[in-house]
Amino acid sequence: AQKVTQAQTEISVVEKEDVTLDCVYETRDTTYYLFWYKQPPSGELVFLIRRNSFDEQNEISGRYSWNFQKSTSSFNFTITASQVVDSAVYFCALKGRGSTLGRLYFGRGTQLTVWP
Amino acid sequence: GAVVSQHPSRVICKSGTSVKIECRSLDFQATTMFWYRQFPKQSLMLMATSNEGSKATYEQGVEKDKFLINHASLTLSTLTVTSAHPEDSSFYICSARPGQLSYNSPLHFGNGTRLTVT
Repeated sequence: AQKVTQAQTEISVVEKEDVTLDCVYETRDTTYYLFWYKQPPSGELVFLIRRNSFDEQNEISGRYSWNFQKSTSSFNFTITASQVVDSAVYFCALKGRGSTLGRLYFGRGTQLTVWP
Repeated sequence: GAVVSQHPSRVICKSGTSVKIECRSLDFQATTMFWYRQFPKQSLMLMATSNEGSKATYEQGVEKDKFLINHASLTLSTLTVTSAHPEDSSFYICSARPGQLSYNSPLHFGNGTRLTVT
């Protein structure tokens, strides 16, 4: 079974604060892929990152960074020096090797609000 | 980059009518498309997998006679909500997987359709 848990339903921060969004996943596959998507109020899903299960290196892209820990089945997302434009719902998603090609399992999402 | 176009972005219809939502891959051939449904403040739930030239595969609990999916070409999949009821009001979003890309390539999502049934 594939499952993604985002325990934080809503997070509010003030601009320039750092914020970490948690993601814990469950899968029996040895090969799997993890994703983060951003959904602004307009509704579209914006792809942020993809990670495969063989690559545990952390990644940094500008103010965004991701911490992949297989030992704890977590794939956390940190925004440094948050900005108002970061306000959105963020989804963590999992794609297992054994599942239908392309089928993503989404967490319930974390609503991030950044106040000026 | 790859783009998926979804139309309409918003639709309001009366109860009992049918609504068709289109999902087009603009610059790649999509052998497989996925239809998701999202209730307010909820996650995206997969409704069905649409394969070009064959019948769609529906997830458990999704009524195939109510949510008709047609994937007649490599660039177009349609979702028709038949005899819509207010409880069908939701955000519907499609995604497409280019046939040529590797398994772990990110899916491309449309901008979604907000359906309101009055």
